[in-house]
Amino acid sequence: DAKTTQPPSMDCAEGRAANLPCNHSTISGNEYVYWYRQIHSQGPQYIIHGLKNNETNEMASLIITEDRKSSTLILPHATLRDTAVYYCIVRGPHGSSNTGKLIFGQGTTLQVKP
Amino acid sequence: GAVVSQHPSRVICKSGTSVKIECRSLDFQATTMFWYRQFPKQSLMLMATSNEGSKATYEQGVEKDKFLINHASLTLSTLTVTSAHPEDSSFYICSAGHLAGGGGEQFFGPGTRLTVL
Repeated sequence: DAKTTQPPSMDCAEGRAANLPCNHSTISGNEYVYWYRQIHSQGPQYIIHGLKNNETNEMASLIITEDRKSSTLILPHATLRDTAVYYCIVRGPHGSSNTGKLIFGQGTTLQVKP
Repeated sequence: GAVVSQHPSRVICKSGTSVKIECRSLDFQATTMFWYRQFPKQSLMLMATSNEGSKATYEQGVEKDKFLINHASLTLSTLTVTSAHPEDSSFYICSAGHLAGGGGEQFFGPGTRLTVL
């Protein structure tokens, strides 16, 4: 699976949009971009994933560049409860040699401030 | 999203004893589950892939005889830490997913905090 690079930490003001970048310059054509977050002492929570097109759900939006070498997770109106470690993970489809496993990097610690 | 549970949520045991942790997918069937370990202030580290009805696949450096994994049904996988020692104290997390086809979501349990005295 391709490696990802994320800034170690970011701050965001409550109510503002949080834009979390991720670089995955070695991503392969069939690899997906996944975003998870982990609030302290809890299991990771799925946020969103995408292959090529931008995606949006009730939690966030995922913007993937045309060359797929980077992406941005957008939390449109950050709240204090969004304070967490955010992980960007690249993963091949099930059936590939990695059988769908997720390899976590260090992630970005997002601190939402009042 | 789908719900994955773990039991117990927290366990304290004496050195040398064995501890079993259960991971259940509550509203879907999971042919594959994953076990992770997380030390304080570190990221999750994948330990093994648990396949229903077959032997688990362990990541490099993880002792299969120390961390026994059983995936006897499509909704239950267990991790047994045998002869636990203080260095095994960690946060153990399982996940299960809808992995059919291409990109699929994977859902995580709430984790089990193991403390070995």
